Amino acid sequence: NAGVTQTPKFQVLKTGQSMTLQCAQDMNHNSMYWYRQDPGMGLRLIYYSASEGTTDKGEVPNGYNVSRLNKREFSLRLESAAPSQTSVYFCASSDPRGELFFGEGSRLTVL
Amino acid sequence: GENVEQHPSTLSVQEGDSAVIKCTYSDSASNYFPWYKQELGKRPQLIIDIRSNVGEKKDQRIAVTLNKTAKHFSLHITETQPEDSAVYFCAASLYNTDKLIFGTGTRLQVFP
Repeated sequence: NAGVTQTPKFQVLKTGQSMTLQCAQDMNHNSMYWYRQDPGMGLRLIYYSASEGTTDKGEVPNGYNVSRLNKREFSLRLESAAPSQTSVYFCASSDPRGELFFGEGSRLTVL
Repeated sequence: GENVEQHPSTLSVQEGDSAVIKCTYSDSASNYFPWYKQELGKRPQLIIDIRSNVGEKKDQRIAVTLNKTAKHFSLHITETQPEDSAVYFCAASLYNTDKLIFGTGTRLQVFP
């Protein structure tokens, strides 16, 4: 039981490049999330998926797209990376009580 | 939308003292208020939560209080230990969703 697994753990991009962060959970949770964490800003919700086939914008969705491929997987795509997207990204899923289970995080640097 | 404010941003205490972190929220319909602890380089993990039908909840040295009228909730850690040193985040749910909006975090340092 791995919980929430996200890849890659580290990535360096040049401005304008694209990339996809992958996330998978094996806890059979319906809800999944992408957050970004920046110093002094806490965890900000980028996108949310309540169930397979549904997605919803969070607090800071601009510059990102998501795909809920199936119940297990929820990917985050940066189409044209910008330095302002340098951050640590966390994928999470939640159980029926609402507890979030986070992945280990992906550190992204955009030069 | 929901806005969650958290204070203080840093907190230093002596081992054995108590620590209190406070959060306010804006959406009166919020009904779920968890607290997460994030150790350096690790992922956030839930330490305690409270729902709007309860005013206080305790788990060993950790307690959370909720004042729905004033729209604020607090985390209380008693008999602090060096392993309590971490960043603590409060959060509030958006009404009728699983979405959680987090505060900006409090860095707690417990000195031996």
